[in-house]
Amino acid sequence: EVQLVESGGGLVQPGGSLRLSCAASIFTFSSYEMNWVRQAPGKGLEWVSYISGSGTAIYYADSVRGRFTISRDNAKNSLYLQMNSLRAEDTAVYFCARARSGWPFDYWGQGTLVTVSS
Amino acid sequence: EIVLTQSPATLSLSPGDRATLSCRASQSVSRYVAWYQQKPGQAPRLLIYDASNRATGIPARFSGSGSGTDFTLTISSLEPEDFAVYYCHQRGNWPPYTFGQGTKLEIK
Repeated sequence: EVQLVESGGGLVQPGGSLRLSCAASIFTFSSYEMNWVRQAPGKGLEWVSYISGSGTAIYYADSVRGRFTISRDNAKNSLYLQMNSLRAEDTAVYFCARARSGWPFDYWGQGTLVTVSS
Repeated sequence: EIVLTQSPATLSLSPGDRATLSCRASQSVSRYVAWYQQKPGQAPRLLIYDASNRATGIPARFSGSGSGTDFTLTISSLEPEDFAVYYCHQRGNWPPYTFGQGTKLEIK
């Protein structure tokens, strides 16, 4: 079965940086688009960023544009999210999610928790 | 940005009941709505996409309908494992993708 496993979360101070990873297996990674979606504690889902299969098309939510960078390494079947200038409101569980032709998000990882606090 | 509004916020029903969850978009999204189920501590699970197509492995008691701005998720006869939070999701005009705020389906 398709597997997506996130890692890299943790506690970071405001203004700090963190890099999340998502390791994919059991499917042809380069044929799928990937997304990051986050969920603040006790809140709903918020889409964060999208990257096409080749990595040439990238989109961000307004709330993270200019601070976060999405990337992928198809040779390593991995997706990344570089998060800089972190704020308290970035505290959330971050999920990676797969899509094809942009839609729908058919498989999700279990998430990794990012806590931004001093 | 398209806003999705789900109603009700909480739905209290009993096993065997029929559940009807609503999702309204602030502008037309054609049929580009999906529904997800999320249980505590778990990732969302895709149930329905393109308004009415069941995802792989999803039981027939789950069905979706709608187009334009009004969408419905129906669970025909609730099983104990169906009590969870449900989110609608649109890609009618993306980026950005947006999600509804969720409907919590709880046991009465």
